[in-house]
Amino acid sequence: AQSVSQHNHHVILSEAASLELGCNYSYGGTVNLFWYVQYPGQHLQLLLKYFSGDPLVKGIKGFEAEFIKSKFSFNLRKPSVQWSDTAEYFCAVTANFGNEKLTFGTGTRLTIIP
Amino acid sequence: EAGVTQFPSHSVIEKGQTVTLRCDPISGHDNLYWYRRVMGKEIKFLLHFVKESKQDESGMPNNRFLAERTGGTYSTLKVQPAELEDSGVYFCASSQEVGPRDIQYFGAGTRLSVL
Repeated sequence: AQSVSQHNHHVILSEAASLELGCNYSYGGTVNLFWYVQYPGQHLQLLLKYFSGDPLVKGIKGFEAEFIKSKFSFNLRKPSVQWSDTAEYFCAVTANFGNEKLTFGTGTRLTIIP
Repeated sequence: EAGVTQFPSHSVIEKGQTVTLRCDPISGHDNLYWYRRVMGKEIKFLLHFVKESKQDESGMPNNRFLAERTGGTYSTLKVQPAELEDSGVYFCASSQEVGPRDIQYFGAGTRLSVL
């Protein structure tokens, strides 16, 4: 079975700082990777996903993530954060030859200071 | 188009009481999922419906939890009797297709507090 680790539980940054949130997964086969975000009081929404091809994927709101197969990682990045990026971020995986249930990490709470 | 809606947004009950959570998926989505996040931990899969049938209920913690999806539309998740460890956020998601690459659309969750 797969598992996901998110190293940072709470990250606090000032506006315009660069962001990188770590995500590592554990699984011996091919995976599909997702980053979800939950803004305060809102639903969990998909930021970006990686299935195959170019390991650098771009998502909504200026976010991107890079899949590094050798490191089993899928870190989320944004070059310059805004106050509105304050939210909780979740990394998740599905096994490519498994079923559709998502395996999530514990989440990272991001607080942006204006 | 309306997204996945969950009701109530927050429920506070006492240990031993019964609570029913409701999820309305996106119209036309045959697949409906329930997940749960216990405080500070990861969001964990509970079960998956395809229309009105339970496709996978391997994540259901015990027989105090009962999920239904009559008619293949909305779903309810009943906890009876509730215990302290049932506290957490219960998320519902829906998707159009089935498979590990299908996109699941989530609701805002129901925060359940058992006192």
